[in-house]
This record gives sequence, C-alpha cells and structure tokens, in this order.
Amino acid sequence: DTTVKQNPRYKLARVGKPVNLICSQTMNHDTMYWYQKKPNQAPKLLLFYYDKILNREADTFEKFQSSRPNNSFCSLYIGSAGLEYSAMYLCASRRQTNTEVFFGKGTRLTVV
Amino acid sequence: AQSVDQPDAHVTLYEGASLELRCSYSYSAAPYLFWYVQYPGQSLQFLLKYITGDAVVKGTKGFEAEFRKSNSSFNLKKSPAHWSDSAKYFCALEGGYGGSGNKLIFGTGTLLSVKP
Repeated sequence: DTTVKQNPRYKLARVGKPVNLICSQTMNHDTMYWYQKKPNQAPKLLLFYYDKILNREADTFEKFQSSRPNNSFCSLYIGSAGLEYSAMYLCASRRQTNTEVFFGKGTRLTVV
Repeated sequence: AQSVDQPDAHVTLYEGASLELRCSYSYSAAPYLFWYVQYPGQSLQFLLKYITGDAVVKGTKGFEAEFRKSNSSFNLKKSPAHWSDSAKYFCALEGGYGGSGNKLIFGTGTLLSVKP
C-alpha cells in the first residue's frame, strides 16, 4: 500500500478552538511532512519529522505542534484556530532523502 | 535562501502541441529538483526528479525535464501534449536541514489546460 491517509478529509472548526489532524502511512517511511496549501499559493512547509526528530519552520514555530507516536502516524495540532488557518493541509512521507515523496489527499480545514 | 519560481500561473495549448512549463530555483548548493502533478480531486503525484548526472531526466507519463545550471532552471517538457495532461504542475527543490532530514520547497504551480 503506497498511500498516505489523512483524516478527516474535511474539518470545520470554531475560532479559538483546537484542531487535531491525523496522517498515517504503512510504507515504513522515515520522514513525514505537513504542508499548508491555500488557493493560488505554493504548498507551505509547516514542519516535518525525520524519524523522531521534529523540525519546525521558523515562521510557523509557535502556531503548529505535532507528534509522531510511532513510525506510521503523525498528527498536526493547532491549539487555537484562527480564520487564517483555513486551508488545505497536506501530509506527505518519504523513505529517505532524494526519493519520491508520497502525498495524501489532504484535509480541508475551514475555521469559522 | 531557497526558493522556487514558476512564472506562468496558467498555460493553455492545443492537443498535439509541445508543452514546456518553466521553473527556476535559487539554492546555494547542488540542487535536487522534482516535478509533481495534481489532477483535480487527487493528491500530488511524483513525475520525475533530478539528483545528479544527465541534465535531461525522463519521468512518468512521457514527461522529461532539463536541468540547466547556467540559468538555474528545470523546465518540464512533453511532446505531443494530450488533453489528459490537463492538471496543475508543481516544481520543487529539496533543501538540506543539517543532517536531520531534508525539506521540499514548492513553487506556486502552473495550471496546464490542453484543448482537444
């Protein structure tokens, strides 16, 4: 199975409330990524796990958290959602550097 | 700083024509470059990559790309184009993270419309 699964596909959240998005893969990939995608913009890297090491981008460091309890699962956590968090969130994974990255179908988050 | 530029937001051509989607990058080290495609309602899919070696790399679905160090470009090509090639295409650059994995930086994408 070469798919990256994301749950849920659609998420409606209230301003100020927490949001937790889930991603899984069964390809034994060492790296898992989270991207934020807004219309007509490039997918923006938020953070990624290389094995158990979490790397977070400087400009989103305080806005997003993540956990990877095992090799297969990775979550993206927003402590207090704002309207600006409305976007498509893409999870991706890869076996090692320089190899193909596999993407999930995304979770569309709408914050109201 | 690492960045990817796809200057053409939208490209339209007729079936049978040759297509070339432009991509330029900025990176201080030797680049690893990728092209991905996204069909409506589907996830991003890998097309091809350049790591080292031959400047022209071939990928899936009949696509190829040419790496040109002289002008920091990695343009995607296909001839002839087919209506089924209509999709959004993303160029990406792999950047180092100092030993704890590499990140993939994307351009804004080019929406390709191939008319029958």
